[in-house]
Amino acid sequence: SAVISQKPSRDICQRGTSLTIQCQVDSQVTMMFWYRQQPGQSLTLIATANQGSEATYESGFVIDKFPISRPNLTFSTLTVSNMSPEDSSIYLCSVQFRAGGDTQYFGPGTRLTVL
Amino acid sequence: GQQVMQIPQYQHVQEGEDFTTYCNSSTTLSNIQWYKQRPGGHPVFLIQLVKSGEVKKQKRLTFQFGEAKKNSSLHITATQTTDVGTYFCAGSSGANNLFFGTGTRLTVIP
Repeated sequence: SAVISQKPSRDICQRGTSLTIQCQVDSQVTMMFWYRQQPGQSLTLIATANQGSEATYESGFVIDKFPISRPNLTFSTLTVSNMSPEDSSIYLCSVQFRAGGDTQYFGPGTRLTVL
Repeated sequence: GQQVMQIPQYQHVQEGEDFTTYCNSSTTLSNIQWYKQRPGGHPVFLIQLVKSGEVKKQKRLTFQFGEAKKNSSLHITATQTTDVGTYFCAGSSGANNLFFGTGTRLTVIP
């Protein structure tokens, strides 16, 4: 398994601003993902964070709105840009040790509220 | 695109009753995983099923993967209040990412 931390754990932000969420893992992992979860809903994959290259975004998510970095095998950031109230959600990072649909381990999540 | 549906969406049971959630994929899966998310928590991995018709047990939990590898079920025997949470199945087509099901929220009434 993996120990994953996310910062911040929660934040309240003003419309139009940006927030960067950090995800740190205690060991090197192959895959890192970013999800969004609305209250009472399932998990929606935003993107796969690729080390040393641009993230792979899912349909409906774009790099200008959700820029992602992954400088190494243990760290990634997700920025929520030009926020609106519709961006209020829980953002979760997850990791896989191996590629190909392996078990995912989730961070504790970041609860974002946009006013 | 690939879709993974779960039923029921919600389930309320008396403590001691059994509970089952069903997961159905629109496409054949290479494996299926189950996760539990406690209220206010994050998803936690429970188990992975890979083989057609596979059945695995974890104490009071029984997991099954369908013969066609398109559906799965999770059965909890004699529920306890500690079983409260949302149970998600997640299917893999062999690519790197998982497709999470819609989830079943279980409430256990003491």
